Amino acid sequence: GAGVSQSPSNKVTEKGKDVELRCDPISGHTALYWYRQSLGQGLEFLIYFQGNSAPDKSGLPSDRFSAERTGGSVSTLTIQRTQQEDSAVYLCASSPYWGGQPQHFGDGTRLSIL
Amino acid sequence: TQLLEQSPQFLSIQEGENLTVYCNSSSVFSSLQWYRQEPGEGPVLLVTVVTGGEVKKLKRLTFQFGDARKDSSLHITAAQPGDTGLYLCAGALIQGAQKLVFGQGTRLTINP
Repeated sequence: GAGVSQSPSNKVTEKGKDVELRCDPISGHTALYWYRQSLGQGLEFLIYFQGNSAPDKSGLPSDRFSAERTGGSVSTLTIQRTQQEDSAVYLCASSPYWGGQPQHFGDGTRLSIL
Repeated sequence: TQLLEQSPQFLSIQEGENLTVYCNSSSVFSSLQWYRQEPGEGPVLLVTVVTGGEVKKLKRLTFQFGDARKDSSLHITAAQPGDTGLYLCAGALIQGAQKLVFGQGTRLTINP
């Protein structure tokens, strides 16, 4: 498709399980971002990639969170040993150039931890 | 404490009325963005302002960046039901910064 694609769109899992969220950015976009949005709230920055490199990991809430990007394209966000406070919508965005802000967001993965 | 405070948090008005949404901070931003988000979808970028005092218009929407680059406003003229949504302001503290700070959003409802 032409936009940022995220999968799954919804994920329900039990506390303590690991989850993996996937983002396919717009083809050719070099910058990729992950944000988290709690119910009805603004977005919280998690991490961004320039190519396959993540210069700023300061937004990751804990060491249970990790992210990688391969081939300058697809990115995965992994949450280990999930907790109930991890429940949120995880949004991915991409931009075509370095130095810009997120321009194109995906529709997110709604994560629910039981 | 929110670095960017949006007001009001909720606004419900009748079709045809005018409204203004505010985004305020004590910090200086190199740029500020406004997004609109509908339920179940990601935010859509409406505008980016970078110069203090800058005014940008997008049809019935007027965006202004404060002279000191600490605040911004979104004014909608003759609101339509299609304007309903969550409006988010977001700012970059450093020029070229990849990390945006978001406000908590203004949920706007336009009643027919």
